[in-house]
Amino acid sequence: TQLLEQSPQFLSIQEGENLTVYCNSSSVFSSLQWYRQEPGEGPVLLVTVVTGGEVKKLKRLTFQFGDARKDSSLHITAAQPGDTGLYLCAGEENNTGKLIFGQGTTLQVKP
Amino acid sequence: GAVVSQHPSWVICKSGTSVKIECRSLDFQATTMFWYRQFPKQSLMLMATSNEGSKATYEQGVEKDKFLINHASLTLSTLTVTSAHPEDSSFYICSASGSTYEQYFGPGTRLTVT
Repeated sequence: TQLLEQSPQFLSIQEGENLTVYCNSSSVFSSLQWYRQEPGEGPVLLVTVVTGGEVKKLKRLTFQFGDARKDSSLHITAAQPGDTGLYLCAGEENNTGKLIFGQGTTLQVKP
Repeated sequence: GAVVSQHPSWVICKSGTSVKIECRSLDFQATTMFWYRQFPKQSLMLMATSNEGSKATYEQGVEKDKFLINHASLTLSTLTVTSAHPEDSSFYICSASGSTYEQYFGPGTRLTVT
C-alpha cells in the first residue's frame, strides 16, 4: 500500500504570513489532489495535478507536483483568516481512482 | 456541477441496531463510489470501493459483514452499519467519481451510537 506523508500536521500563523504544506511519498502517483475540509463537512476539491513538474495557481494558492510524481506542495501567500481549515493531499493509486490520503494539515490563521 | 449528497447528515442510534446511510450523485453518473471513515482531527480512511452493479471491494481490516455496501444504480450507493456499537461512532463520508479520476465528496454523516 502506498503511503503519503503530509507535513506539518498543525500550523498556526498570523494573517499575512506565507506557508507551505508538503506531501511526500516513496511511491509514484497517477495524480494528486488537494482538498480543504471544514469541521463537520466533506472535503472540497481545490486542485488536481497530473503531470510531473506541473504548477497550478488558484488565487493565493500555488500547487506543485514533483517531477517524479512522488511529492507535492501547497503554498499559500499572504494567508487570511478565511484560509483556516484542514488541508488534505491525496494521491491516486496506479490509475485505479483509489485515493491515498495524507494525515492532513490543520491551518489556523489568526487575525 | 459534481454535487454529491448524503442522507442523513447526522444520526443517533442505540447499540445493536442498524443504520443505513445514502450517498447520491446529483448531477452526474457515478461509476465508482467510495466510502470513508474519519475520526476527530484525523484524515480520511478508505473503507471500501463500490462499482455500480458489482460487489464492493473492502480495505484490509474492514468487516464486510458489518459494513454492508450496495451500489444499485449510477447515482446511489448505500452503507449499512449493522449491529452498531459505540466504537462505530464516527464521521462517514462518501465520494463519487464518473468519467474522470476526480472524486467529489459528500457532506458526511455523523453517526453516534449510544
